[in-house]
Amino acid sequence: EAEVAQSPRYKITEKSQAVAFWCDPISGHATLYWYRQILGQGPELLVQFQDESVVDDSQLPKDRFSAERLKGVDSTLKIQPAELGDSAMYLCASSPRAGTGEDTQYFGPGTRLTVL
Amino acid sequence: QKEVEQNSGPLSVPEGAIASLNCTYSDRGSQSFFWYRQYSGKSPELIMSIYSNGDKEDGRFTAQLNKASQYVSLLIRDSQPSDSATYLCAIQAGRGSTLGRLYFGRGTQLTVWP
Repeated sequence: EAEVAQSPRYKITEKSQAVAFWCDPISGHATLYWYRQILGQGPELLVQFQDESVVDDSQLPKDRFSAERLKGVDSTLKIQPAELGDSAMYLCASSPRAGTGEDTQYFGPGTRLTVL
Repeated sequence: QKEVEQNSGPLSVPEGAIASLNCTYSDRGSQSFFWYRQYSGKSPELIMSIYSNGDKEDGRFTAQLNKASQYVSLLIRDSQPSDSATYLCAIQAGRGSTLGRLYFGRGTQLTVWP
């Protein structure tokens, strides 16, 4: 069964350092999402891509976060500099194509970030 | 901001019982509704999706949707200890919208004891 891949699974870093997360969506899925989940809360969207284009980054803290999906396949989310409050689970999800009705989202295993 | 509220937990039921999980939402334009299961330290796993008013059954799981009341629920029949997890309710603003973001509740933690 096809799955969303993410790496690393765990990341520990010190504040002010840069971190990067990678996501490879299910093959053929045009829409890719990055969510952040703080312990005890539900996931919240950071950014949505449709193919290589950003569709929604309204909740992305653009002063320190950046995301790209250059070839419309895999994606990288970067934080620079990391802050203590960034400690969370970073989840990548993909769906066949938002806007067509075939947009059920499937999540990868996530990256657990701890900022010291 | 689209609000999604779930009944406060934790919810504890004996093995074999029916677990009932509830969710209300604020946006009347919401079209798609999902239930995800999340084990501790793991990522959300899709359990059910529902788009139309009424009931939708899949094995031991039944999702119920009432758009007029802005209410969606999940029933788990014959609960098993392996069902112990946090259940996340999620809504999507508009089916067919290119803005496909999900809005999640905080989750309800379910414990099924033997």
